[in-house]
Parts: sequence; structure tokens; C-alpha cells
Amino acid sequence: DAGVTQSPTHLIKTRGQQVTLRCSPISGHKSVSWYQQVLGQGPQFIFQYYEKEERGRGNFPDRFSARQFPNYSSELNVNALLLGDSALYLCASSGPGQTNSPLHFGNGTRLTVT
Amino acid sequence: DQQVKQNSPSLSVQEGRISILNCDYTNSMFDYFLWYKKYPAEGPTFLISISSIKDKNEDGRFTVFLNKSAKHLSLHIVPSQPGDSAVYFCAASSLAGNQFYFGTGTSLTVIP
Repeated sequence: DAGVTQSPTHLIKTRGQQVTLRCSPISGHKSVSWYQQVLGQGPQFIFQYYEKEERGRGNFPDRFSARQFPNYSSELNVNALLLGDSALYLCASSGPGQTNSPLHFGNGTRLTVT
Repeated sequence: DQQVKQNSPSLSVQEGRISILNCDYTNSMFDYFLWYKKYPAEGPTFLISISSIKDKNEDGRFTVFLNKSAKHLSLHIVPSQPGDSAVYFCAASSLAGNQFYFGTGTSLTVIP
């Protein structure tokens, strides 16, 4: 079975630009979460989506948004990029319920903002 | 405010010996805990979990211990193998919660 897939794997953007990151969950998983990991830190929660609805949001500015599609795939959008947005963005799926199950991560998208 | 802490940034262990990785948390509402292993250029890989109704969970060479009164958990790897060399993260959540809080990781090196 395929794991969580994320695209693209690497991305270089300029300050002020916008970026869209994509994620496909493990088949049967209805919950998708997004995490940001900067060097030397653990992953930080950005969003959780379950059954296409936002179920949680971390301490990130409104420049960050996401959505989940009917096939449970998800996109993370970041507007007006700042240098500090440079990080590894991890998508994770879990299931079958919304809670009480471990997160399964993709390999991430490495975003560099110059 | 770091609610999950891994105070040892690194650990070196001889092959065949036991590796013990530690994790502390501050939020008494946490009742579901996970351990992950991360290799460079890969996402974290789920290893083992434990809920607060247990104080121990085993899966092969991996055992997680939970001490709720001390708000402390540990991961034991026995015997350690060179392929275990990676960064290990602990994570915590409340069972009804929608987010996990991660520690900063411990880099384990298993020396052949």
C-alpha cells in the first residue's frame, strides 16, 4: 500500500510569493494534518482536516490556509512568503477516526524562501 | 512554551546494548503518546504508541514506558543496531485532541 505522498519534494520561492503544497493520504485515512519543521526543532502543528472540515489550527498566521478535497487529499497554501517560512512541511494522515490513532507522515516538502 | 521536552540532544550506544531515550511533558491533559524515528531526507516514521491507561507497551525490540505521576516517558531499544541510528521524536496529545506536540528530538548513534 502506498504511504502518504507529498509534492513537490523541494521548492524555492522568493519573498512575497505564494506557494501550494500537496498531499495524498494513505488509502482509508480521512484525517490529514500539516506540520512545519524547522532545523533543530520538532514538527509544529499547522492544521488538521477531517472529512473535509478544518478541525484544528495551530499558532500560525492567516497567511497559512489549507483545504481537503472529497478524495481526502489536501493542499496547504502559504501567501506572502517570508524568509522565516523556510522549513520542511510535513503532511500526515491518520485513521480511520479523527483521533486516537498515530500520524503517518510523508517525506515532506522542503521549502526555501530567498 | 515547550510542552514536550527531550533534554538529551544526542546519545551514543554500542551495538547490542540498550538505548534509552527520554521524554518529559508538562500538560497533565496528555494521555496518548507516540515515538517516531527520522532519517535525513525522510519523514518521521511511527514506531510505537502508548495511552495513559497503560504504563508499558512492547513491540519487538522497542518498549515504551510511561510514568504519569512524573510526566515522563522513555523508549528502550534492545538490542541496539546500527540501523537504529536516527533522530527520535516523542509526541503527545490528548485522546480527544486534534494535534500532537513534539519534542525537539534526540539523535541516536549506534556504534558497531
